[in-house]
Amino acid sequence: EAQVTQNPRYLITVTGKKLTVTCSQNMNHEYMSWYRQDPGLGLRQIYYSMNVEVTDKGDVPEGYKVSRKEKRNFPLILESPSPNQTSLYFCASSFDGGSLKYFGPGTRLLVL
Amino acid sequence: QKEVEQNSGPLSVPEGAIASLNCTYSDRGSQSFFWYRQYSGKSPELIMFIYSNGDKEDGRFTAQLNKASQYVSLLIRDSQPSDSATYLCAVVRSGGYNKLIFGAGTRLAVHP
Repeated sequence: EAQVTQNPRYLITVTGKKLTVTCSQNMNHEYMSWYRQDPGLGLRQIYYSMNVEVTDKGDVPEGYKVSRKEKRNFPLILESPSPNQTSLYFCASSFDGGSLKYFGPGTRLLVL
Repeated sequence: QKEVEQNSGPLSVPEGAIASLNCTYSDRGSQSFFWYRQYSGKSPELIMFIYSNGDKEDGRFTAQLNKASQYVSLLIRDSQPSDSATYLCAVVRSGGYNKLIFGAGTRLAVHP
């Protein structure tokens, strides 16, 4: 079954404690992207990757890092989380990024 | 001005009626437009895409595009309570690599 998986699904943490949210896809897609979703603001792109070792900033990259060492995985790293990073995070993948059909189930993050 | 604007709603329609959801965008160079449905707590689901001016129909859904007015709409005929969700309009930003920009979404409530 074609799918994008994310882990963990729910996470409560404290300010400054480094965390990683994993994202994996099984469709051999070249393009992967991370979004955060906040009430009234919609989905905003954090980072995207066009292929292995090729990543670029989206519209709200501050406080986040990503890596793309393998085609299937695109982890999101928060090195020093802050309360304003409390949000719902989605990973998505596609062949070219022009239309995103496959989204992960989401990770709900609360930073205290 | 937001790149993609939608009325947040809620838009309330009776079962069996036509629901009309609207979206305007600011990038005159955009060429690709998408509608996603998102149930509460779930990930977005791609339901329609449109690239050319005019109407595109798929089952009970019709997408309408008017590039001169920078306006995209989604009509849902014979609305059902199961259509109750938030509908996200998304536009590919022109220039550079494909980048999908989302509106904040319109909440639709279909009541029996």
